[in-house]
Amino acid sequence: AQKVTQAQTEISVVEKEDVTLDCVYETRDTTYYLFWYKQPPSGELVFLIRRNSFDEQNEISGRYSWNFQKSTSSFNFTITASQVVDSAVYFCALSAGNQGGKLIFGQGTELSVKP
Amino acid sequence: DVKVTQSSRYLVKRTGEKVFLECVQDMDHENMFWYRQDPGLGLRLIYFSYDVKMKEKGDIPEGYSVSREKKERFSLILESASTNQTSMYLCASSATGGYYGYTFGSGTRLTVV
Repeated sequence: AQKVTQAQTEISVVEKEDVTLDCVYETRDTTYYLFWYKQPPSGELVFLIRRNSFDEQNEISGRYSWNFQKSTSSFNFTITASQVVDSAVYFCALSAGNQGGKLIFGQGTELSVKP
Repeated sequence: DVKVTQSSRYLVKRTGEKVFLECVQDMDHENMFWYRQDPGLGLRLIYFSYDVKMKEKGDIPEGYSVSREKKERFSLILESASTNQTSMYLCASSATGGYYGYTFGSGTRLTVV
């Protein structure tokens, strides 16, 4: 069975704090893809990053960074020096096996960044 | 700029009405999906389609049907709207294969009164 768990339902931080959003996944497939999406208050989910199972290199994009560890089946997302505009719901997702491109989503983490 | 377009941003319908939610994509994607999003429940898959005229049930298909007569259009139908179908509805599309992930529409917030 495939599953994505985002244990943190809500996180609240003060602007400029660093924050890490956790994502743990389960799959028996050796080839899979992991994603993060951002859903701001406007409602549309926006793609942030994709990682394939053969590439464990961490990635940094500006204030955003992602840590992929197969040993712990985790794909965590860190925002450095958070800003109010980072306030959103963040979803981690998994695509694996013969799902034909269907994504398995975590429950989402609602991040609130206060000024 | 590639797009998934949902026909309405906000809708208010009466109980018992037949409701159509339309989704159109311009990326020639094979796959299309309908989700509903409710507080505390995340994204729940209603129906999806891998090709024209094909459909498969997701996790919560009860009370819904879908239609895909053309590759670019995927319609969600509430046969007889009920108040427990008040929700945010999200459409997404993707190319075949796990690599691509989804492109989402901006969502339709449906209220059934």
